[in-house]
Amino acid sequence: DAMVIQNPRYQVTQFGKPVTLSCSQTLNHNVMYWYQQKSSQAPKLLFHYYDKDFNNEADTPDNFQSRRPNTSFCFLDIRSPGLGDAAMYLCATSRGPGQGNEKLFFGSGTQLSVL
Amino acid sequence: DAKTTQPPSMDCAEGRAANLPCNHSTISGNEYVYWYRQIHSQGPQYIIHGLKNNETNEMASLIITEDRKSSTLILPHATLRDTAVYYCIVRGLHGSSNTGKLIFGQGTTLQVKP
Repeated sequence: DAMVIQNPRYQVTQFGKPVTLSCSQTLNHNVMYWYQQKSSQAPKLLFHYYDKDFNNEADTPDNFQSRRPNTSFCFLDIRSPGLGDAAMYLCATSRGPGQGNEKLFFGSGTQLSVL
Repeated sequence: DAKTTQPPSMDCAEGRAANLPCNHSTISGNEYVYWYRQIHSQGPQYIIHGLKNNETNEMASLIITEDRKSSTLILPHATLRDTAVYYCIVRGLHGSSNTGKLIFGQGTTLQVKP
């Protein structure tokens, strides 16, 4: 049974048209992460939530925003997608608070195409 | 974050043990060594983690050197389904929330061959 669910699996958007990707979890974890993975590259952390506390990575573009309305759901908003934003977007969760030794659970990802 | 160094690719014969090395010479005392793998077009999957001692679970074994500057992931009987990118990650605590972020390096592409 999937514990971190990402919808849709594939998303196509137009250049400059806002798009939202969604993630839900059944694990009741405190922490939710968003990663971007471009073709043939490693996943890159964009930001994470610890409960309602938002933590942005220093090099995440302003074009990327996130919302977490409740424990179970987290959204990634791309305000004006460019061709360079085409990638796999991965959501992950962990129990937290961290001792450095808790596992991250990943969803299957949403593959975003920008036309 | 302590950085890791892995060979970009390795081959392994089906049924044989796959030994994937990782160097993490700048690891600090409270940082754990994690291994994840990513099969094509899927999300990363947790394999194993450790701090000082060797660890074993149903998927793999993790051997950490005494000085903790390197480690080896061992898949005892590799199958074709083990073909994936394997990431070695050193992870500690970050920021005011003390959440342990996972920062991925480039990983090792393991090709298991019949």
